[in-house]
Amino acid sequence: EDQVTQSPEALRLQEGESSSLNCSYTVSGLRGLFWYRQDPGKGPEFLFTLYSAGEEKEKERLKATLTKKESFLHITAPKPEDSATYLCAVQAIDQGGSEKLVFGKGTKLTVNP
Amino acid sequence: NAGVTQTPKFQVLKTGQSMTLQCAQDMNHNSMYWYRQDPGMGLRLIYYSASEGTTDKGEVPNGYNVSRLNKREFSLRLESAAPSQTSVYFCASSPGTGYNTIYFGEGSWLTVV
Repeated sequence: EDQVTQSPEALRLQEGESSSLNCSYTVSGLRGLFWYRQDPGKGPEFLFTLYSAGEEKEKERLKATLTKKESFLHITAPKPEDSATYLCAVQAIDQGGSEKLVFGKGTKLTVNP
Repeated sequence: NAGVTQTPKFQVLKTGQSMTLQCAQDMNHNSMYWYRQDPGMGLRLIYYSASEGTTDKGEVPNGYNVSRLNKREFSLRLESAAPSQTSVYFCASSPGTGYNTIYFGEGSWLTVV
């Protein structure tokens, strides 16, 4: 069964304290891995797409990396406005040949000033 | 630049009542989706429409119906609402179902009492 597991479930950081969020996956036929940010009461906002192992993408204080088994979202010198839930999703092909997007449950990040 | 627009934002229903969630996108995307998000469950796909004129079941379709009215609009109908359908519903769209990013609406909060 295709699975996406995010860890930790919640993370509290002090402003400026760098850390990483993890997304591990077991899917067959990986087509792409997506990172989203979700603020309370809002829909998920697209951050990055990664397609192959070794690929990296950066945006401001965020950097996403991908291996064959997992992806990391590195947050460098975070600010309180980076507080949100970060969602990972994996696009895969099921046995019937249909594409599907499997979401993890998210990591809730809180950055204290 | 509205993106994906959902209505209503909030709705309270009594068990057994019916209602339709409306969704429209202005990005000329081919594919549209309905997800539900529950605490501790992550985002789960209800139905999707790969292109105008087609609809397919997702992971949790029971109790729902959809209509792809045209390329812009994709509605989700609850024929006889149940308390288990209390959730946050997100409409989303993407250029296609291939290597494409999915863009989400702001969500519709539905409570069934």
